[in-house]
Amino acid sequence: DGGITQSPKYLFRKEGQNVTLSCEQNLNHDAMYWYRQDPGQGLRLIYYSQIVNDFQKGDIAEGYSVSREKKESFPLTVTSAQKNPTAFYLCASSMTGHTGELFFGEGSRLTVL
Amino acid sequence: AQSVAQPEDQVNVAEGNPLTVKCTYSVSGNPYLFWYVQYPNRGLQFLLKYITGDNLVKGSYGFEAEFNKSQTSFHLKTPSALVSDSALYFCAVRDTGAGSYQLTFGKGTKLSVIP
Repeated sequence: DGGITQSPKYLFRKEGQNVTLSCEQNLNHDAMYWYRQDPGQGLRLIYYSQIVNDFQKGDIAEGYSVSREKKESFPLTVTSAQKNPTAFYLCASSMTGHTGELFFGEGSRLTVL
Repeated sequence: AQSVAQPEDQVNVAEGNPLTVKCTYSVSGNPYLFWYVQYPNRGLQFLLKYITGDNLVKGSYGFEAEFNKSQTSFHLKTPSALVSDSALYFCAVRDTGAGSYQLTFGKGTKLSVIP
């Protein structure tokens, strides 16, 4: 079945360590997104990419980095510069254009100890 | 800049009663509006969207939403709530007047359906 796969589901890291979250889609979508979800704050956009080898910062990009070397893959690295990295991270994809809805993965919960 | 407001953090309703989850938006151009549902520790699932045409949009799981341009609202409704509808609901907007395809989400409304 087509969909978006995020891994790992749960991740624990020590403070100061970088961590990379995986996101793979087989929907043949051009656009991919990373959101951060915190209780009571909804979803906030970290980075998005509308085409391979190109991506743009969202509202809260500081302390994060991404790459888009393949259409199917959009990994997110949470760097040690991110001051409060503990959160639920959601990856999504969509067709390009204004009318397409986003399809979400199941999320990755990162806890920094 | 586009924005979405969900004025209620939580809505409680008895099973079988009608329910409304409110959403208002602000855009510079025309809005494309979406509703999503999220169950605990899961990703978001798409319910329905308004792009153009009929102001009443029907979606998954018996939900519908009404686009009201004059009130800049897009409230989610169902005529008879089920216990299984208990979840977190998000409204989102994309501004056709903006240069990007970014989707802005509200903060979510937690729906509790009481048996």
